Amino acid sequence: GQNIDQPTEMTATEGAIVQINCTYQTSGFNGLFWYQQHAGEAPTFLSYNVLDGLEEKGRFSSFLSRSKGYSYLLLKELQMKDSASYLCAPYNFNKFYFGSGTKLNVKP
Amino acid sequence: DGGITQSPKYLFRKEGQNVTLSCEQNLNHDAMYWYRQDPGQGLRLIYYSQIVNDFQKGDIAEGYSVSREKKESFPLTVTSAQKNPTAFYLCASSPKSSGNTIYFGEGSWLTVV
Repeated sequence: GQNIDQPTEMTATEGAIVQINCTYQTSGFNGLFWYQQHAGEAPTFLSYNVLDGLEEKGRFSSFLSRSKGYSYLLLKELQMKDSASYLCAPYNFNKFYFGSGTKLNVKP
Repeated sequence: DGGITQSPKYLFRKEGQNVTLSCEQNLNHDAMYWYRQDPGQGLRLIYYSQIVNDFQKGDIAEGYSVSREKKESFPLTVTSAQKNPTAFYLCASSPKSSGNTIYFGEGSWLTVV
């Protein structure tokens, strides 16, 4: 089975930095993906971690600790368009598990 | 352009009726998936297929059926046995090799009337 925990909702200010945490317990693990989903739309890929450590892609960074079953997504220089849900998705041999997502509200 | 096409975008189903959601991809991906998303919730896996003529149940397969007769097509049938089918349905695909991301179609909204 799998268990994925993320905060339900967060609020941050435009221009600030926000960290969205994810803890997971899955039967098998090959890596972890983060996706962004705007309301009523399909998720889009943000980042992928397979080894422990930090992966940086522009304003977005993602961290993984496999021994702790823990990951976070870091968003810098927040923009209004970053208001969306962020889904943590551990991956095991072509099977993706999705958390319920964290709804991020960016305010001016 | 390469991508995943789902149809229809919006579908209404009467009680007791079966409906089929289409999913076609021209990305030459081996694996295909169907997810269900309820309002404010995450994605739950219904069925997935890693190769033609083979598919596996996900976490919520009851009341659904699929087929994978062609690599590019993975239709989902929502049967009358699915008692609460109103949801957003997402089809996705990924290359066979490990570590590749999953690509999503635009989704289909199914409502029971």
